[in-house]
Amino acid sequence: QKEVEQNSGPLSVPEGAIASLNCTYSDRGSQSFFWYRQYSGKSPELIMFIYSNGDKEDGRFTAQLNKASQYVSLLIRDSQPSDSATYLCAVRNAGNMLTFGGGTRLMVKP
Amino acid sequence: GAGVSQSPSNKVTEKGKDVELRCDPISGHTALYWYRQRLGQGLEFLIYFQGNSAPDKSGLPSDRFSAERTGESVSTLTIQRTQQEDSAVYLCASSPGHQALGGKLFFGSGTQLSVL
Repeated sequence: QKEVEQNSGPLSVPEGAIASLNCTYSDRGSQSFFWYRQYSGKSPELIMFIYSNGDKEDGRFTAQLNKASQYVSLLIRDSQPSDSATYLCAVRNAGNMLTFGGGTRLMVKP
Repeated sequence: GAGVSQSPSNKVTEKGKDVELRCDPISGHTALYWYRQRLGQGLEFLIYFQGNSAPDKSGLPSDRFSAERTGESVSTLTIQRTQQEDSAVYLCASSPGHQALGGKLFFGSGTQLSVL
């Protein structure tokens, strides 16, 4: 079992819809959770992080964390074609190691 | 510079040759990571440096791979006797490293390595 799992997609949503991206992790000692966005041919960039159970909102993005279920998700409201990218979930353990999932490719169709 | 700098941006080499990839992290960042990304794949962890602590080398795929870091500055990733399966983008990232900010990585533009 991989330490951080994501559905590779592609996840296709129409413009204006909510995109829901999911991630599960295996290490119960994981302390913090990150979502990175990677456009094709570019390097990843951090868009959200969450440390505590519950929801964290930043503009059109909401990160959700459930440590009991070892599950973290990213919701993108009012999806735009410019949101089309690969979204990488990353998990940090107690030793400050950051492990990435394989990423989910999101396609937002006009 | 303001960001993480990697060089070269592209490297084409022949199978069996050694290559050296360089990373200049953001000044003051104590943590430095190397990842490998094959085409269409996720990020594969290679090695992690944190300050003066012993590096975590658990992700290095074979003894042909090695990395060094000079204090809290430049890092080099060396691949000896390159193989075609080493072809990938090699990404370096740095982070402030301390507890509150761990995980907030700033990535360089990567080195595209092609082994013929």
